[in-house]
Amino acid sequence: NAGVTQTPKFQVLKTGQSMTLQCAQDMNHEYMSWYRQDPGMGLRLIHYSVGAGITDQGEVPNGYNVSRSTTEDFPLRLLSAAPSQTSVYFCATHGAGPYEQYFGPGTRLTVT
Amino acid sequence: RKEVEQDPGPFNVPEGATVAFNCTYSNSASQSFFWYRQDCRKEPKLLMSVYSSGNEDGRFTAQLNRASQYISLLIRDSKLSDSATYLCVVIAGGSYIPTFGRGTSLIVHP
Repeated sequence: NAGVTQTPKFQVLKTGQSMTLQCAQDMNHEYMSWYRQDPGMGLRLIHYSVGAGITDQGEVPNGYNVSRSTTEDFPLRLLSAAPSQTSVYFCATHGAGPYEQYFGPGTRLTVT
Repeated sequence: RKEVEQDPGPFNVPEGATVAFNCTYSNSASQSFFWYRQDCRKEPKLLMSVYSSGNEDGRFTAQLNRASQYISLLIRDSKLSDSATYLCVVIAGGSYIPTFGRGTSLIVHP
């Protein structure tokens, strides 16, 4: 039981490049979320999903796309990377009960 | 005003000390409250939920004050391993979307 996995762990992109951050969970949870964490800003919600086929925007969705074709996977796509997207990205999941969030180990992204 | 506010610290305390953090929230409809712990360069992990009647887990005590809209975390007999950032999390009633505070940094020194 791996919980929540994220790949890659580290990534360096040039401005304008695109990439997909992968997130997978084996906890059979319906709810999945993407956060970014910047110094002094705390965790900010980018996009979330309440189940396969359903996604919605969080606090800072611009520049990011998501899809949820299966319960297990919730990839985050950067369409055209910008230096402002340099951050640590966390994927999280939680069940329908007490809302304890389980986080993946994070992806550290640098955009130059 | 941010929905969930925490003193960023750092709180610098010696081993064995008692330290307390507060977290204030602005939404009076908030129903669920949690404390998470985040070690340097790691993901956040649930430390404890906060119940209306207050709850204790070993050296950690969490309390909720609905009238003043804050939750607190008390750590007794601090250990070096308690050094981390403590995140306050609040969920409004009828919602499943948590709001995170920016975290309070704790440094426990010998």
